[in-house]
Amino acid sequence: GAVVSQHPSWVICKSGTSVKIECRSLDFQATTMFWYRQFPKQSLMLMATSNEGSKATYEQGVEKDKFLINHASLTLSTLTVTSAHPEDSSFYICSARWSNTGELFFGEGSRLTVL
Amino acid sequence: QQQVKQSPQSLIVQKGGISIINCAYENTAFDYFPWYQQFPGKGPALLIAIRPDVSEKKEGRFTISFNKSAKQFSLHIMDSQPGDSATYFCAASKMEKLTFGTGTRLTIIP
Repeated sequence: GAVVSQHPSWVICKSGTSVKIECRSLDFQATTMFWYRQFPKQSLMLMATSNEGSKATYEQGVEKDKFLINHASLTLSTLTVTSAHPEDSSFYICSARWSNTGELFFGEGSRLTVL
Repeated sequence: QQQVKQSPQSLIVQKGGISIINCAYENTAFDYFPWYQQFPGKGPALLIAIRPDVSEKKEGRFTISFNKSAKQFSLHIMDSQPGDSATYFCAASKMEKLTFGTGTRLTIIP
Protein backbone atom coordinates (compact mmCIF):
# COMPACT_ATOMS: atom_id res chain seq x y z
CA GLY A 1 0.00 0.00 0.00
CA ALA A 2 0.89 3.65 -0.31
CA VAL A 3 3.12 5.10 2.40
CA VAL A 4 2.94 8.50 4.01
CA SER A 5 5.95 9.45 6.08
CA GLN A 6 6.04 12.10 8.78
CA HIS A 7 9.18 13.60 10.25
CA PRO A 8 10.06 14.02 12.99
CA SER A 9 8.01 11.37 14.78
CA TRP A 10 8.51 13.24 18.01
CA VAL A 11 9.98 16.59 18.97
CA ILE A 12 10.52 18.50 22.18
CA CYS A 13 11.05 22.24 22.02
CA LYS A 14 11.19 25.26 24.25
CA SER A 15 8.32 27.69 24.48
CA GLY A 16 8.62 30.46 21.90
CA THR A 17 10.47 28.45 19.29
CA SER A 18 9.10 27.26 15.95
CA VAL A 19 8.85 23.65 14.88
CA LYS A 20 8.48 22.25 11.37
CA ILE A 21 6.83 18.90 10.67
CA GLU A 22 7.13 17.27 7.24
CA CYS A 23 4.62 15.01 5.55
CA ARG A 24 5.77 13.07 2.50
CA SER A 25 3.94 10.70 0.19
CA LEU A 26 6.71 8.21 -0.60
CA ASP A 27 5.41 6.33 -3.61
CA PHE A 28 2.55 8.38 -4.98
CA GLN A 29 1.62 11.92 -5.87
CA ALA A 30 -0.75 13.78 -3.61
CA THR A 31 -2.38 16.97 -4.84
CA THR A 32 -4.17 17.28 -1.52
CA MET A 33 -2.90 16.68 2.00
CA PHE A 34 -4.69 17.18 5.28
CA TRP A 35 -3.37 18.09 8.71
CA TYR A 36 -5.04 16.87 11.89
CA ARG A 37 -4.47 17.43 15.57
CA GLN A 38 -5.20 14.81 18.20
CA PHE A 39 -5.16 15.32 21.96
CA PRO A 40 -4.67 12.29 24.23
CA LYS A 41 -7.59 9.89 24.13
CA GLN A 42 -9.50 12.19 21.82
CA SER A 43 -10.51 12.17 18.19
CA LEU A 44 -8.71 13.66 15.22
CA MET A 45 -9.65 17.24 14.46
CA LEU A 46 -9.04 18.57 10.97
CA MET A 47 -6.87 21.66 11.05
CA ALA A 48 -6.38 22.48 7.40
CA THR A 49 -6.45 21.22 3.84
CA SER A 50 -3.26 21.67 1.87
CA ASN A 51 -3.31 21.84 -1.91
CA GLU A 52 -0.14 21.71 -3.98
CA GLY A 53 0.80 25.11 -5.30
CA SER A 54 -1.90 27.06 -3.50
CA LYS A 55 -2.70 28.43 -0.08
CA ALA A 56 -3.99 26.06 2.55
CA THR A 57 -7.61 26.17 3.66
CA TYR A 58 -7.93 26.35 7.42
CA GLU A 59 -10.81 25.07 9.52
CA GLN A 60 -12.72 27.46 11.69
CA GLY A 61 -10.84 28.32 14.86
CA VAL A 62 -7.41 27.35 13.55
CA GLU A 63 -4.96 30.26 13.49
CA LYS A 64 -3.30 30.38 10.08
CA ASP A 65 -0.48 32.57 11.36
CA LYS A 66 0.18 30.10 14.13
CA PHE A 67 0.12 26.97 12.00
CA LEU A 68 1.86 27.69 8.70
CA ILE A 69 1.25 25.12 5.99
CA ASN A 70 3.22 24.83 2.77
CA HIS A 71 2.58 22.29 0.03
CA ALA A 72 5.46 22.97 -2.30
CA SER A 73 5.41 19.76 -4.30
CA LEU A 74 3.16 16.81 -5.10
CA THR A 75 4.90 14.73 -2.44
CA LEU A 76 5.61 17.14 0.40
CA SER A 77 3.58 19.29 2.76
CA THR A 78 4.98 20.98 5.84
CA LEU A 79 3.34 22.26 9.01
CA THR A 80 5.23 24.87 10.99
CA VAL A 81 4.06 25.62 14.51
CA THR A 82 5.27 29.16 15.11
CA SER A 83 6.14 30.53 18.55
CA ALA A 84 5.06 27.27 20.13
CA HIS A 85 3.54 27.24 23.61
CA PRO A 86 2.74 24.35 25.96
CA GLU A 87 -0.90 24.33 24.83
CA ASP A 88 0.33 23.47 21.32
CA SER A 89 1.63 20.16 22.62
CA SER A 90 -0.28 17.51 20.74
CA PHE A 91 -0.11 14.66 18.25
CA TYR A 92 -0.13 16.04 14.71
CA ILE A 93 -1.14 13.69 11.90
CA CYS A 94 -1.17 14.25 8.17
CA SER A 95 -2.98 12.39 5.45
CA ALA A 96 -2.42 12.42 1.73
CA ARG A 97 -4.92 11.85 -1.02
CA TRP A 98 -3.62 9.71 -3.85
CA SER A 99 -4.45 11.63 -6.99
CA ASN A 100 -5.11 8.51 -9.08
CA THR A 101 -7.61 6.77 -6.83
CA GLY A 102 -8.77 9.37 -4.34
CA GLU A 103 -7.79 7.12 -1.43
CA LEU A 104 -6.54 8.73 1.77
CA PHE A 105 -3.43 7.46 3.53
CA PHE A 106 -2.33 8.59 6.97
CA GLY A 107 1.12 9.27 8.32
CA GLU A 108 2.38 7.83 11.57
CA GLY A 109 1.96 11.12 13.37
CA SER A 110 4.34 13.56 15.04
CA ARG A 111 4.21 14.15 18.76
CA LEU A 112 5.08 17.69 19.76
CA THR A 113 5.91 18.55 23.35
CA VAL A 114 6.48 22.22 24.18
CA LEU A 115 8.23 22.88 27.47
CA GLN B 1 -21.28 20.53 16.67
CA GLN B 2 -20.45 16.83 16.73
CA GLN B 3 -21.50 15.58 13.32
CA VAL B 4 -20.54 11.95 13.86
CA LYS B 5 -21.48 10.32 17.14
CA GLN B 6 -19.77 7.09 18.12
CA SER B 7 -20.54 4.56 20.82
CA PRO B 8 -19.52 2.96 23.04
CA GLN B 9 -16.56 4.95 24.31
CA SER B 10 -14.89 1.74 25.45
CA LEU B 11 -15.62 -1.92 24.89
CA ILE B 12 -14.29 -5.13 26.38
CA VAL B 13 -14.89 -8.34 24.45
CA GLN B 14 -13.76 -11.85 25.10
CA LYS B 15 -11.47 -13.50 22.58
CA GLY B 16 -13.50 -15.12 19.85
CA GLY B 17 -16.50 -12.87 20.44
CA ILE B 18 -18.07 -10.23 18.24
CA SER B 19 -17.14 -6.58 18.74
CA ILE B 20 -19.75 -4.07 17.64
CA ILE B 21 -19.19 -0.32 17.39
CA ASN B 22 -21.90 2.08 16.29
CA CYS B 23 -21.91 5.48 14.65
CA ALA B 24 -24.59 7.96 13.70
CA TYR B 25 -24.30 10.97 11.48
CA GLU B 26 -26.38 14.04 10.82
CA ASN B 27 -25.28 15.42 7.47
CA THR B 28 -26.97 13.61 4.58
CA ALA B 29 -24.35 15.03 2.21
CA PHE B 30 -21.74 12.60 3.55
CA ASP B 31 -20.91 10.10 0.83
CA TYR B 32 -18.12 7.94 2.19
CA PHE B 33 -17.92 6.16 5.53
CA PRO B 34 -14.58 4.63 6.54
CA TRP B 35 -13.47 2.94 9.73
CA TYR B 36 -9.95 3.42 11.07
CA GLN B 37 -7.87 1.47 13.56
CA GLN B 38 -5.32 3.30 15.64
CA PHE B 39 -2.67 1.87 17.93
CA PRO B 40 -1.07 4.06 20.64
CA GLY B 41 1.43 6.52 19.22
CA LYS B 42 0.57 5.65 15.61
CA GLY B 43 -1.47 7.22 12.89
CA PRO B 44 -4.86 5.73 11.97
CA ALA B 45 -5.01 2.96 9.39
CA LEU B 46 -7.96 2.36 7.11
CA LEU B 47 -9.79 -0.86 7.95
CA ILE B 48 -12.82 -0.88 5.74
CA ALA B 49 -15.09 1.68 4.10
CA ILE B 50 -18.54 1.86 2.56
CA ARG B 51 -20.53 4.17 0.32
CA PRO B 52 -24.22 4.92 0.99
CA ASP B 53 -25.51 2.93 -1.97
CA VAL B 54 -24.53 -0.32 -0.24
CA SER B 55 -26.08 -1.70 2.96
CA GLU B 56 -23.29 -4.05 3.95
CA LYS B 57 -19.65 -4.69 3.14
CA LYS B 58 -17.51 -7.51 4.43
CA GLU B 59 -13.75 -7.86 4.35
CA GLY B 60 -12.39 -10.81 6.25
CA ARG B 61 -13.48 -10.56 9.88
CA PHE B 62 -14.65 -6.95 9.47
CA THR B 63 -18.15 -6.01 8.36
CA ILE B 64 -19.78 -2.61 7.95
CA SER B 65 -23.54 -2.41 8.18
CA PHE B 66 -25.06 0.78 6.80
CA ASN B 67 -28.59 2.09 7.37
CA LYS B 68 -29.11 5.13 5.21
CA SER B 69 -32.62 5.95 6.41
CA ALA B 70 -31.53 5.87 10.05
CA LYS B 71 -28.23 7.62 9.26
CA GLN B 72 -26.36 4.97 11.17
CA PHE B 73 -23.52 2.60 10.42
CA SER B 74 -21.67 0.04 12.46
CA LEU B 75 -18.51 -2.01 12.50
CA HIS B 76 -18.62 -5.69 13.42
CA ILE B 77 -15.42 -7.56 14.21
CA MET B 78 -15.99 -11.30 14.14
CA ASP B 79 -13.81 -13.75 16.09
CA SER B 80 -12.16 -10.87 17.93
CA GLN B 81 -8.49 -11.39 18.76
CA PRO B 82 -6.13 -9.76 21.29
CA GLY B 83 -4.34 -8.11 18.36
CA ASP B 84 -7.56 -6.25 17.59
CA SER B 85 -7.17 -4.29 20.83
CA ALA B 86 -6.90 -0.69 19.63
CA THR B 87 -8.92 2.48 19.28
CA TYR B 88 -11.40 2.50 16.43
CA PHE B 89 -12.72 5.61 14.74
CA CYS B 90 -15.61 5.88 12.37
CA ALA B 91 -15.59 8.77 9.96
CA ALA B 92 -17.77 10.39 7.37
CA SER B 93 -16.59 12.29 4.35
CA LYS B 94 -17.93 15.07 2.20
CA MET B 95 -15.80 16.57 -0.55
CA GLU B 96 -12.72 14.68 0.71
CA LYS B 97 -12.90 16.17 4.22
CA LEU B 98 -13.18 13.55 6.93
CA THR B 99 -15.15 14.11 10.11
CA PHE B 100 -14.15 11.61 12.75
CA GLY B 101 -16.22 10.04 15.48
CA THR B 102 -15.07 10.24 19.08
CA GLY B 103 -13.40 6.85 19.08
CA THR B 104 -13.91 3.50 20.81
CA ARG B 105 -11.21 1.86 22.84
CA LEU B 106 -11.56 -1.86 22.25
CA THR B 107 -9.93 -4.40 24.55
CA ILE B 108 -10.01 -8.09 23.74
CA ILE B 109 -9.48 -10.27 26.80
CA PRO B 110 -8.37 -13.93 26.72
